[in-house]
This record gives sequence, structure tokens and C-alpha cells, in this order.
Amino acid sequence: QKEVEQNSGPLSVPEGAIASLNCTYSDRVSQSFFWYRQYSGKSPELIMSIYSNGDKEDGRFTAQLNKASQYVSLLIRDSQPSDSATYLCAVRPIYNQGGKLIFGQGTELSVKP
Amino acid sequence: DGGITQSPKYLFRKEGQNVTLSCEQNLNHDAMYWYRQDPGQGLRLIYYSQIVNDFQKGDIAEGYSVSREKKESFPLTVTSAQKNPTAFYLCASSIRRGTSGNTGELFFGEGSRLTVL
Repeated sequence: QKEVEQNSGPLSVPEGAIASLNCTYSDRVSQSFFWYRQYSGKSPELIMSIYSNGDKEDGRFTAQLNKASQYVSLLIRDSQPSDSATYLCAVRPIYNQGGKLIFGQGTELSVKP
Repeated sequence: DGGITQSPKYLFRKEGQNVTLSCEQNLNHDAMYWYRQDPGQGLRLIYYSQIVNDFQKGDIAEGYSVSREKKESFPLTVTSAQKNPTAFYLCASSIRRGTSGNTGELFFGEGSRLTVL
């Protein structure tokens, strides 16, 4: 079992719809969770971080964390073609103080006009 | 403007050659990292450094070497011992906060794409 798992996609949604991206992790005591967006051929950029159970909203983005079920999700409301990218889920285990992150393989999102 | 600069952006290497990828940051971040990304894959950690003159192996350190002589610089050498070096290499940094260690919020450079001929 991979430490961090995501559906590779591609996930295709129409413009204006809600895109839902999911991620599961195997280390039950992980503490910190991150979503990075990566456009094709570019480097990743941090878009959301979440540390406690529940929802965290930032503009059109909502991160949801459920530690009991070991999953974290990212919702993108009113999806735009400019949201088309690969979204990487990353987890920081509690035992690691070096900031080491474990990344999933990413989910490719395509927003169709 | 603060940021992370990687060079070169594209690099071609013949088999048996060592190459060095440069990474410089002016964000005053303590921690720096090197990741490798293969097509359709997530990021895999090669090496990381939390402070000057100290670094640790990541998950795929074999065939790579690093140094951290200055806070701003963390160069990566891809040696001839790395059997499949063609990949996208990403350098990142993060700020260290308090006693809980680094935040895990990474800032990435633009990447270096290495191709072995």
C-alpha cells in the first residue's frame, strides 16, 4: 500500500462545476496535510494546508480533513479552465521534524469550457 | 523579489558524466530539499538539509550527492552511479518555525530537466 494515494485521473469537469479531489494516507498519526497545484511543465505551488479535522476554506478552494478515516480532500467550486492542472496531495508524518513530505502521484484535473 | 533559482533549466548529459544542478534561495529559509519527478509520478525526496553543513538522505539518495556550505545554496550532483537520471529535478525550501520543526509548506524553484543522451 502506498503511503499517500490519489486517483491519477484525468478528472474532467465542466466549467462552473465543483471539482472534488481525494487523497488517502496510511500513517494514522500524520499531522499536516497539503495540496499543491502543478501546471504542465511547471513546478508545484502550495494552494492549501490543513492541520485539524474539518473544513478549511480559501476563496474557491475548500480542504477537508478526516483523520479517523485517513483522508483529505480538495473541493474547487466554480471550476475554471485555468484550474486545469495536476493536484498533488502531500502528508507530513508526525515523527518527521525535517519538513519531509510524502507526496501522492497527483490527480490530473481538466476543466472544459 | 524573493525566490528560489534553479539552473540550468535544461541539461543534457552523456552516460558516465557527473552533472551539478544549482539551487539558490534568498528567502532566508533554513531547510532546503531536492525532489525528483518522473512523468505521471509524484515527487520523490532525494536529499534534504535543515541547517548549514548538515544534510540527510531522502528516499532515493543513491547516485546523488549534495552539499550545504551556505544557507542560500544547496547544489545537487547527479553522479554516473545514478542509473536512470533522466527526470525533472525540483529544489524547494521551507521556513523553520519554533520548536516544532519545519512547517512542511514548501516553496519550489522552476525545476531543472535533465536528459541523458
